[in-house]
Amino acid sequence: GNSVTQMEGPVTLSEEAFLTINCTYTATGYPSLFWYVQYPGEGLQLLLKATKADDKGSNKGFEATYRKETTSFHLEKGSVQVSDSAVYFCALSGQETSGSRLTFGEGTQLTVNP
Amino acid sequence: DGGITQSPKYLFRKEGQNVTLSCEQNLNHDAMYWYRQDPGQGLRLIYYSQIVNDFQKGDIAEGYSVSREKKESFPLTVTSAQKNPTAFYLCASSADRGISTDTQYFGPGTRLTVL
Repeated sequence: GNSVTQMEGPVTLSEEAFLTINCTYTATGYPSLFWYVQYPGEGLQLLLKATKADDKGSNKGFEATYRKETTSFHLEKGSVQVSDSAVYFCALSGQETSGSRLTFGEGTQLTVNP
Repeated sequence: DGGITQSPKYLFRKEGQNVTLSCEQNLNHDAMYWYRQDPGQGLRLIYYSQIVNDFQKGDIAEGYSVSREKKESFPLTVTSAQKNPTAFYLCASSADRGISTDTQYFGPGTRLTVL
């Protein structure tokens, strides 16, 4: 079955540091890949997505590239801010006939200090 | 504004009682989903529905029930058979059925505590 593995957290960075959160996946066929962000006490918000190999998703300074050869979708940001502190979830949606079901990683807690 | 609403934000119930969580969307989406989130864990799918009057079990459906009588509503009942119901529950919706590229949009969640 499908699965997503994220780097273990928590991750603590200083403001303006470079961020990488690793995500690898196992799936059959050609899944779509997503990064969601969750702020404390809230639901999830879509951060970015990529639907085919070599696609790059980007939003708010965050980027991730769909690498089929390494089955990875690592999240990066060149300069983090305090407001980026949140939990980040990597997810995939497989080519199934029963809806766009999402499989999530366990989430990575990011704390950015001023 | 279009979006997904969940109510209440916090819910407390005594052990052995059934409780129903509300989820409403005005995005005109066909598909709706219920997830459970436990501390330090990812989301797990409870039930999903692709069309009115139809729904399917997800990965952890035991102890839960749903209905989909209207396109915009997908309530979740946590029954007394659910052994560990205390969790954060998230509802989501997406525009299309069976399309893996489609984006799911999430509500703000309901935190259920069983005393």
